[in-house]
Amino acid sequence: QKEVEQDPGPLSVPEGAIVSLNCTYSNSAFQYFMWYRQYSRKGPELLMYTYSSGNKEDGRFTAQVDKSSKYISLFIRDSQPSDSATYLCAMSGGWNNAGNMLTFGGGTRLMVKP
Amino acid sequence: ETGVTQSPTHLIKTRGQQVTLRCSSQSGHNTVSWYQQALGQGPQFIFQYYREEENGRGNFPPRFSGLQFPNYSSELNVNALELDDSALYLCASSSRGGGSDTQYFGPGTRLTVL
Repeated sequence: QKEVEQDPGPLSVPEGAIVSLNCTYSNSAFQYFMWYRQYSRKGPELLMYTYSSGNKEDGRFTAQVDKSSKYISLFIRDSQPSDSATYLCAMSGGWNNAGNMLTFGGGTRLMVKP
Repeated sequence: ETGVTQSPTHLIKTRGQQVTLRCSSQSGHNTVSWYQQALGQGPQFIFQYYREEENGRGNFPPRFSGLQFPNYSSELNVNALELDDSALYLCASSSRGGGSDTQYFGPGTRLTVL
């Protein structure tokens, strides 16, 4: 079983819809949670960064972390065709003697249709 | 402020050959991490460099090696290439001790092994 599980999709929604993307994880040492957006054949772009449990909002994006359930979510409001991409969740336990590695989910491919 | 840059963009090699990939970290960042992303999967951590030393390693064999230079740029070397090494290689920079461990990714180098 992978440390971080993410539904690969594809997830197809109409323009303007609210999108919900989710990841579950098994390692209770994870404290930092990130969402990256990756367009085809490009590098991942950081969207949201949160520490521990709680919510964080930035424009149309809201990230939620529930450490008790080991479950994180990204909500996209008023989705646009330009949001069509692969969304990657990533997690880390922070800096330690072994550095600060990110553990990624497999990514969810999102398609927003005009 | 310049972002993370990687070279070359694309590379084609044959099995058994050796390859060197290069990365320039974002201005002000002192740590570089390398990830391998196979098609349709999330990035996998290879290793991380801080102060010119390897500071954490994922589950990759010794034929994957690296360097970090005094200007914080980095190289990833892969010896004895195998077909399964075909992937997008991503470099990420971050700032240890800078109050945030957020990792910012470059555009990647796409390696094809024939």
